[in-house]
Formats: sequence, C-alpha cells, structure tokens
Amino acid sequence: ELKVEQNPLFLSMQEGKNYTIYCNYSTTSDRLYWYRQDPGKSLESLFVLLSNGAVKQEGRLMASLDTKARLSTLHITAAVHDLSATYFCAVDPTGSARQLTFGSGTQLTVLP
Amino acid sequence: DGGITQSPKYLFRKEGQNVTLSCEQNLNHDAMYWYRQDPGQGLRLIYYSQIVNDFQKGDIAEGYSVSREKKESFPLTVTSAQKNPTAFYLCASSIRLTASSYNEQFFGPGTRLTVL
Repeated sequence: ELKVEQNPLFLSMQEGKNYTIYCNYSTTSDRLYWYRQDPGKSLESLFVLLSNGAVKQEGRLMASLDTKARLSTLHITAAVHDLSATYFCAVDPTGSARQLTFGSGTQLTVLP
Repeated sequence: DGGITQSPKYLFRKEGQNVTLSCEQNLNHDAMYWYRQDPGQGLRLIYYSQIVNDFQKGDIAEGYSVSREKKESFPLTVTSAQKNPTAFYLCASSIRLTASSYNEQFFGPGTRLTVL
C-alpha cells in the first residue's frame, strides 16, 4: 500500500521567514503534484513535478523532487499572510496511471 | 469558461435517504474522480472513471455508487448503506490516463454533505 507522509502537519510561521514542507512516499514514482486548499474551498494545482531533480518555482514557493530519496519539498521564502492555507502533496505511482494518493496536508498559518 | 461544476454546494440528508451529487465538466477531459475529505484530513478516492460507461472502485467505495453515461457528467450517489456520510465531497477530472501521461487533476468547488 502506498503511503504518503507530510510533515509538519501544522506550521505557524512569522511573515518574512523561510520554511520547508516535506513529502515522503513509499513507492517508486517520478510524478508528484502539489495542491493548495483554502479553508472551505477546493484544491488548486500548484506544481507538477515529472522527473528526478525537477524544480518548479512560482512566486515565494519552490517545489522539488528527489525520486531516489522518495522525497519532495515545498520551500516557502519570505512568507506572507496570503500563503496561509493547507498544502497537499499527491503521488502518482509509476505505471499506475490510475489515481493519486494524497498526503494528509500541511496547515500553514503565516502570522504578522 | 472551461471548468468543473458541482451541485449543490450544501446538502442535508436524513438518515436512510439516498442523495445524488452532481459533477459536470466542460474541459473535454476523459477521466473523472470522486474524493471524500473529512475535517483535517487528506483526500480519499471513492470512484474514478477513465471513459464513458466504465468506472472503478477507489479506496472507500462502500456505500456509494456512480454512473458515467456522458463524458461531461459523473454523478455520485450516497446511499443509505454509507454509515457516516457527513463530509466534503470533491469531484476532479484529468485529460486522460495512460501509463506515459501524467495525471494532473483539476477540482470542482465541492459539495458539503451533512446528515441530520
């Protein structure tokens, strides 16, 4: 059974600080996705990572994928309040082409 | 505008009733999915469909049923057999599913179901 673990599950950080969210998974995969969810809302696609060493950046967020370590990171640079949300990673196991398995999410709160 | 719509936004069900949640997409996507999200939890897959008239069970299909008569539509019925249906239900779609493609899924706004 594929397991996807995110940590931390809860994160409070001051505006202007940097931090990293980690996503570990238990099976071979070279396709990983990051989503954002605002309270009571749906999921918004942030990044699609499709190969070992892939790095994508959008604004203050940067995502990377290390398929050998089965690890993806979401790095937050100089956090602002608007980044407060829950962030999910999702893994697409190699060869499955069927479904994504989601992590439990990291609830990020950026404090003024 | 292309997108995924779900209705209703809020739904209240009495115990013993079946209810149907609507999901429609005009993105011309082949694959569609239903997920359940409980408070503070990730998403769990209920059912998915890769093509019209075909669908597969996900991890938590018991107490749910679906149909895929049209490419654009993938309704979910929550039956009385689902013992704890109160949750947030999300529908998603993706372009196609092949071993070589990637499966970026796009989500609808969700339906919040409450059992009274």
